Amino acid sequence: AQKITQTQPGMFVQEKEAVTLDCTYDTSDPSYGLFWYKQPSSGEMIFLIYQGSYDQQNATEGRYSLNFQKARKSANLVISASQLGDSAMYFCAMRADNQGGKLIFGQGTELSVKP
Amino acid sequence: NAGVTQTPKFRILKIGQSMTLQCTQDMNHNYMYWYRQDPGMGLKLIYYSVGAGITDKGEVPNGYNVSRSTTEDFPLRLELAAPSQTSVYFCASSRGLAGVDTQYFGPGTRLTVL
Repeated sequence: AQKITQTQPGMFVQEKEAVTLDCTYDTSDPSYGLFWYKQPSSGEMIFLIYQGSYDQQNATEGRYSLNFQKARKSANLVISASQLGDSAMYFCAMRADNQGGKLIFGQGTELSVKP
Repeated sequence: NAGVTQTPKFRILKIGQSMTLQCTQDMNHNYMYWYRQDPGMGLKLIYYSVGAGITDKGEVPNGYNVSRSTTEDFPLRLELAAPSQTSVYFCASSRGLAGVDTQYFGPGTRLTVL
């Protein structure tokens, strides 16, 4: 069975500093994708970044980067130069590439950015 | 391009009532999904569809039904509402199943069953 684990219910970071949000996963599928979504207090789900299981390089999107360690089954999100607007819930999700595109979500990490 | 739209935004139901949550996407995506998000939790898949006329159960399908008669629409039906169905419901769609074909989410429907 597939599983996503986010062990940090809440995190605090000072504005302009970097923060790492942890995500570990479990799957027996050889081909899969890992996603991070942001959910601000308004409730919408915003796609941030994607990493494929066969990608050799870590994904980056602006201030977001994904620290992908396949052997450890971890896919941590790094946010550089935190901004007040980064305060939100962050969800890690996994999709096995042969199962209808379904996403399995972790429980989320609530990030608070302090001025 | 509206993306994924959901109606209503909010709804309060009494125990035993039924309702349909509407979801429409205008991106011509084949794949559509319904998730629920309970307070303080991640999203869980209720049902999904890989094309018009084809639906399948997700992780938590009990108490729900779906249909997909067109590419654009994927309504979710709640029969005999129960307090355990109090949740936020998200509809999503995607173009494909691999690579960076991410799911695009609607704004959600907040449902309370009293």
